[in-house]
Amino acid sequence: GAVVSQHPSWVICKSGTSVKIECRSLDFQATTMFWYRQFPKQSLMLMATSNEGSKATYEQGVEKDKFLINHASLTLSTLTVTSAHPEDSSFYICSVQSYYEQYFGPGTRLTVT
Amino acid sequence: QQQVKQSPQSLIVQKGGIPIINCAYENTAFDYFPWYQQFPGKGPALLIAIRPDVSEKKEGRFTISFNKSAKQFSLHIMDSQPGDSATYFCAASLSTGGGNKLTFGTGTQLKVEL
Repeated sequence: GAVVSQHPSWVICKSGTSVKIECRSLDFQATTMFWYRQFPKQSLMLMATSNEGSKATYEQGVEKDKFLINHASLTLSTLTVTSAHPEDSSFYICSVQSYYEQYFGPGTRLTVT
Repeated sequence: QQQVKQSPQSLIVQKGGIPIINCAYENTAFDYFPWYQQFPGKGPALLIAIRPDVSEKKEGRFTISFNKSAKQFSLHIMDSQPGDSATYFCAASLSTGGGNKLTFGTGTQLKVEL
């Protein structure tokens, strides 16, 4: 399956600042990538679908102006959490689509203080 | 209609036992059903997946049973080991113009005891 990396693996930021998370597909050119959020002991919730070269499609209830997604190349998608607040603290995970399968990155733990 | 229900929430088995995790869905448009394993602090890893035109699929110690008429599917782990202790998620995929969107079950925390 596809190998996916994320950077950073964890980040702490102050309330009101912005933080960028990178998702890279290391061995596969990913036309489609996804971003998920996972709160402790909960399931994964899809935030948005990112297609290379086009605007991301956000799930209902996800603020597109707060969670900026850029899929500028076939190997890189970024998620920027703008004006972060403590309630944005979560585990953010990206995935790449390869045919029917989705392969996930290792996740990024965001803590907003 | 987009929900995937998963049970049990947690499960404890002895080493060598066969834990069974069940999932049910409503939307008949789902066309692909993967299972993922997740360790604490890590991203989910794809274990095994099945299409709705197949009733059973085996890969190593993992088996998916699929009942299309009942809209249910389950994961069996043969000869379970302590290293299998993790959280397991079922999912259902819906093909859209922009990608295959996954809806996840609520997860099952499995513990395999010696």
